[in-house]
Amino acid sequence: DQQVKQNSPSLSVQEGRISILNCDYTNSMFDYFLWYKKYPAEGPTFLISISSIKDKNEDGRFTVFLNKSAKHLSLHIVPSQPGDSAVYFCAAIVSVGGTSYGKLTFGQGTILTVHP
Amino acid sequence: EAQVTQNPRYLITVTGKKLTVTCSQNMNHEYMSWYRQDPGLGLRQIYYSMNVEVTDKGDVPEGYKVSRKEKRNFPLILESPSPNQTSLYFCASSMRQALEAFFGQGTRLTVV
Repeated sequence: DQQVKQNSPSLSVQEGRISILNCDYTNSMFDYFLWYKKYPAEGPTFLISISSIKDKNEDGRFTVFLNKSAKHLSLHIVPSQPGDSAVYFCAAIVSVGGTSYGKLTFGQGTILTVHP
Repeated sequence: EAQVTQNPRYLITVTGKKLTVTCSQNMNHEYMSWYRQDPGLGLRQIYYSMNVEVTDKGDVPEGYKVSRKEKRNFPLILESPSPNQTSLYFCASSMRQALEAFFGQGTRLTVV
């Protein structure tokens, strides 16, 4: 049972345009969400996160939006740069109590390619 | 430099031959975990540890063991590896739970 889903395996955008990566989840107990970026032959690196008490978090070119009613989050990258080309994973966790406490659940990942 | 170090980076082994993948972090993090990455499945958590001597199963623990005898180290043990454990493995650590984790560079394991 895939509790966190990234339904787009890949996304291709032009440099300077907006990249929008989407993520859906099914477990209503998730209360903290993260995005990680992964380059080939490297481990994932933390990018940005959002608590379920917020609907938006911004860090430079990166903004994460959370729609709890739809169980959907998205990562916006504006403007996109060729160096942003990587695999992006969304992840979710139950941060307080519950049987899933401490377990980070990842989506399948989306390969972003930014063309010059 | 803050880092999570895994060894080895690459390993080819035969079915049934016990192996250990080491993981060490220098950030004094309490929380450590192991993941495997497979095509189309993303990263799946194998085991995690909240602190020394405290470990718990993740989503895919079958066939794996872990130990946390000291804070900095969290080895992953495959007692009897099988071909379906061929995968890319990542160790991660964080100050609390799994939030904003630092990942190692990965261990590419092939079991033949």
